[in-house]
Amino acid sequence: DGGITQSPKYLFRKEGQNVTLSCEQNLNHDAMYWYRQDPGQGLRLIYYSQIVNDFQKGDIAEGYSVSREKKESFPLTVTSAQKNPTAFYLCASSPRQGAAWEQFFGPGTRLTVL
Amino acid sequence: AQSVTQPDIHITVSEGASLELRCNYSYGATPYLFWYVQSPGQGLQLLLKYFSGDTLVQGIKGFEAEFKRSQSSFNLRKPSVHWSDAAEYFCAVGARGSARQLTFGSGTQLTVLP
Repeated sequence: DGGITQSPKYLFRKEGQNVTLSCEQNLNHDAMYWYRQDPGQGLRLIYYSQIVNDFQKGDIAEGYSVSREKKESFPLTVTSAQKNPTAFYLCASSPRQGAAWEQFFGPGTRLTVL
Repeated sequence: AQSVTQPDIHITVSEGASLELRCNYSYGATPYLFWYVQSPGQGLQLLLKYFSGDTLVQGIKGFEAEFKRSQSSFNLRKPSVHWSDAAEYFCAVGARGSARQLTFGSGTQLTVLP
């Protein structure tokens, strides 16, 4: 089955720790995205990558970092510099070719800071 | 920059009643428009999308949406709601060009009464 997987589903972090959220896709998509979702605020773009070894900051990149070493993988690190990291994190991907595109979403990771 | 407004934070309808969820967008050109649905603790699923052509778009699960350029709107409709439609609904606008980014509204939570 083609799709996007995110792990873990739930993640707990102590203040001051860095944590890495995994996102893997087997859809052969070039573009991948990370969003943060907070109640009542919709989805906000953290980082996106259009191609391997390249990525750009989104609207709320401070306190986060990413890498894109493989087409299939786009891990997100939440660093200790992120002041309020408790949120639901969603990964998405889309093709770069074709006129009628859409973003496909993974099931999400809920991060809680203790 | 584009933006999306979903004026209704929460809507309650009875099962079998009709539904309309409002979405207004701001974008300098003809936009790409999307409606996604999210069940609690899950990722987003695409209901329908508009790129060009017929302004009335049919989607999955019996949903449809109409693009009205003069009103900058893309309202989602369903003639008869089922209890399983209870979820959060997000409208999004996509930028034309290679980045394929989406800007989301803040969402509308739908409750369905038996």
